[in-house]
Amino acid sequence: GQQLNQNPQSMFIQEGEDVSMNCTSSSIFNTWLWYKQDPGEGPVLLIALYKAGELTSNGRLTAQFGITRKDSFLNISASIPSDVGIYFCAGMILTGGGNKLTFGTGTQLKVEL
Amino acid sequence: GAGVSQSPRYKVAKRGQDVALRCDPISGHVSLFWYQQALGQGPEFLTYFQNEAQLDKSGLPSDRFFAERPEGSVSTLKIQRTQQEDSAVYLCASSLEGASTDTQYFGPGTRLTVL
Repeated sequence: GQQLNQNPQSMFIQEGEDVSMNCTSSSIFNTWLWYKQDPGEGPVLLIALYKAGELTSNGRLTAQFGITRKDSFLNISASIPSDVGIYFCAGMILTGGGNKLTFGTGTQLKVEL
Repeated sequence: GAGVSQSPRYKVAKRGQDVALRCDPISGHVSLFWYQQALGQGPEFLTYFQNEAQLDKSGLPSDRFFAERPEGSVSTLKIQRTQQEDSAVYLCASSLEGASTDTQYFGPGTRLTVL
């Protein structure tokens, strides 16, 4: 099935550094979401974006919905050890059959103390 | 419980066996989704229920996969004659209704290993 392209695939950063990752698609989405998944757990929603061009923050997290509706980015400021995990973008199209999500390939974040 | 629960958490099956995976959504949630997550990949959509009605099953990889939600709450994903390529984590998610602003809450998943 289709998966969105996420970059970078993984990153290893120092505690306190800022992190940036992005997600691109060949298709247009109405909604962009960013999830974090810890080992052995399901994805947990971090930020939701509903409008092209929208910039939304949630604590140290900031995400933007691209103008073309085909991309999004996520920034994490001043990273801390608990930021470790896999981050997934997901696009959503509202259909009569439900709002199924198309996920990205994931960005694995490792934080060095 | 407050969240989505899934059972079993781990399942090992011999190739050719049938398996059944259970999902208990958040109470009162109308929408229920199943996703398949292969190792190192993002989740991929399998099927969607609105109450007891299966409105989208376009992601089911073969006719060996079958899902049901007979009373509009608990759902079961059944895989017949399992194959090695079925090995993956199977995630269930539920949302309050079906609006685009409704958050999908995920369960911890069932890790299926087919030997």
